[in-house]
Amino acid sequence: DAKTTQPNSMESNEEEPVHLPCNHSTISGTDYIHWYRQLPSQGPEYVIHGLTSNVNNRMASLAIAEDRKSSTLILHRATLRDAAVYYCILRDSQGGSEKLVFGKGTKLTVNP
Amino acid sequence: NAGVMQNPRHLVRRRGQEARLRCSPMKGHSHVYWYRQLPEEGLKFMVYLQKENIIDESGMPKERFSAEFPKEGPSILRIQQVVRGDSAAYFCASSPRIRADRGEQYFGPGTRLTVT
Repeated sequence: DAKTTQPNSMESNEEEPVHLPCNHSTISGTDYIHWYRQLPSQGPEYVIHGLTSNVNNRMASLAIAEDRKSSTLILHRATLRDAAVYYCILRDSQGGSEKLVFGKGTKLTVNP
Repeated sequence: NAGVMQNPRHLVRRRGQEARLRCSPMKGHSHVYWYRQLPEEGLKFMVYLQKENIIDESGMPKERFSAEFPKEGPSILRIQQVVRGDSAAYFCASSPRIRADRGEQYFGPGTRLTVT
């Protein structure tokens, strides 16, 4: 699986937007970009995924660079409940395994 | 629609005992995955199963660990002769089917195993 690089930690204030970056310079044309998050003492939770175009859902937005070598998860108005570790994961749609390969992720702290 | 269920949520075992962790996938899901999270570490894939079949066990330790997903009933992760290093949170996830974009996996709340 292609590797991703994320900052170890980020801080935000409540009700402000948060932009979580992810670099994936070795991404292949068939890799989808997935984001999961893990709240304290809970199992991971799917957030969003995309291939080339920007994606929006009720939880977040995913902005994908034109060359696909990086992407940004956008939380439009952070709440205290968004404090979690956020994981950026590449998943190959052709061959490979169904498993998720988690890195260290970005620990997001949200200040009241 | 109930989510992925795992039980027990907390399990304490003495060294040398057996641990059995259960996972009931979401209704309609036929794919189950087990992951382990050691203290202060990230999540690591262990095994991927479909009904009555092990598809990928590349993350399973070679000894003492086994997994099954029978035709009826929950998926079971079994750890024989537990050691202190097995203390971790074990998460189960499920998905409905294989999709071209891989789709999402739905995780349970985990079982926290403590070996004394």
